[in-house]
Amino acid sequence: EAQVTQNPRYLITVTGKKLTVTCSQNMNHEYMSWYRQDPGLGLRQIYYSMNVEVTDKGDVPEGYKVSRKEKRNFPLILESPSPNQTSLYFCASSLGGGGYEQYFGPGTRLTVT
Amino acid sequence: DAKTTQPNSMESNEEEPVHLPCNHSTISGTDYIHWYRQLPSQGPEYVIHGLTSNVNNRMASLAIAEDRKSSTLILHRATLRDAAVYYCILRDAGWYNNNDMRFGAGTRLTVKP
Repeated sequence: EAQVTQNPRYLITVTGKKLTVTCSQNMNHEYMSWYRQDPGLGLRQIYYSMNVEVTDKGDVPEGYKVSRKEKRNFPLILESPSPNQTSLYFCASSLGGGGYEQYFGPGTRLTVT
Repeated sequence: DAKTTQPNSMESNEEEPVHLPCNHSTISGTDYIHWYRQLPSQGPEYVIHGLTSNVNNRMASLAIAEDRKSSTLILHRATLRDAAVYYCILRDAGWYNNNDMRFGAGTRLTVKP
């Protein structure tokens, strides 16, 4: 089954404790991205990747890192999480540019205390 | 960047057609028009997309104005499971352009039994 998976689905952590949210897709997609969703602010893009070893900032990259060492995986790294990073995070992938649909993961709900 | 404008909310009766409008007056010639929806507690789900011609798939139809400055998502027979927030998004066709998708507030569709 074609899908985007995220782990963990739920995470409660404390300020400053480094964490990684994994994202994996099994569709051989070139393009992957991360979004966060907050009440009243909608979905905002954090980082995206056009291909392996190619990443770029989205609208809200501060406090996040990503890497794309292999096509299927695109982890989101919070080196020193803060409470303002409490949010719902979605990973997405697509085969290519604007002519292709994006597939979204189920989401990771992160709480930083 | 091209942006879209959608009504905040709409209501429909079950088993009736629903027409969800979207204005994108600053659309460029290489922008695809994408529609996604987000059900409660889920990630966004692809619905349909198109460039210039009207499009149909198993979920919906997309009607694109001749000048491409507006489009309409058509759900032919709304069901209770169609209650969601619907997002109209523009995505550039260029492979190496910034392919991020900017989500607005979307239209919250309520379906009444």
